Amino acid sequence: SQTIHQWPATLVQPVGSPLSLECTVEGTSNPNLYWYRQAAGRGLQLLFYSVGIGQISSEVPQNLSASRPQDRQFILSSKKLLLSDSGFYLCAWSLRGSAGYNEQFFGPGTRLTVL
Amino acid sequence: AQSVSQHNHHVILSEAASLELGCNYSYGGTVNLFWYVQYPGQHLQLLLKYFSGDPLVKGIKGFEAEFIKSKFSFNLRKPSVQWSDTAEYFCAVKDTGRRALTFGSGTRLQVQP
Repeated sequence: SQTIHQWPATLVQPVGSPLSLECTVEGTSNPNLYWYRQAAGRGLQLLFYSVGIGQISSEVPQNLSASRPQDRQFILSSKKLLLSDSGFYLCAWSLRGSAGYNEQFFGPGTRLTVL
Repeated sequence: AQSVSQHNHHVILSEAASLELGCNYSYGGTVNLFWYVQYPGQHLQLLLKYFSGDPLVKGIKGFEAEFIKSKFSFNLRKPSVQWSDTAEYFCAVKDTGRRALTFGSGTRLQVQP
């Protein structure tokens, strides 16, 4: 069966510090991968998605970047965190090539607090 | 741009009451529709989904949703809620032109015993 891991689970970082959040998927190959952010009182906002190694699409301009160095690894980064980067970050995966069947499976999330 | 509206932000019900959570979307083409649930301290998980066919979709734990194309709606229902249904519920839409889902802002359901 497939599983998705995210770490760390919680993180408190000062403004201006760098960020690296990691997501890995097990039990599937060539998944689509996604990063979402859930701000307090708001829904999930898609940040990035990837259809393959080195292929990243950004949904919104922001202080963050994403990379996919391996097929089942997706990394969210920032060089300098802002207060507004605080939130709950969710990684998700879906099967590739299944037109219309894009059910997404979510990881446990990382709660980031920028002080 | 596509958008998803969940009109109820916080709903409080007593056990055995009936539930209906509203979801409306803005895209006029072919869509796939989802309801996700996030129980306290747990992962976001799929409750039910609609891709095609019967517009009345049954999901896990007694939930169902009805797709009404003319109203651009996909409301979630349950005839009798339980305390264990306390959670946050998210409606999500995917249109054929995008690779990812667009989520609503969520509805926090609190069921009182």
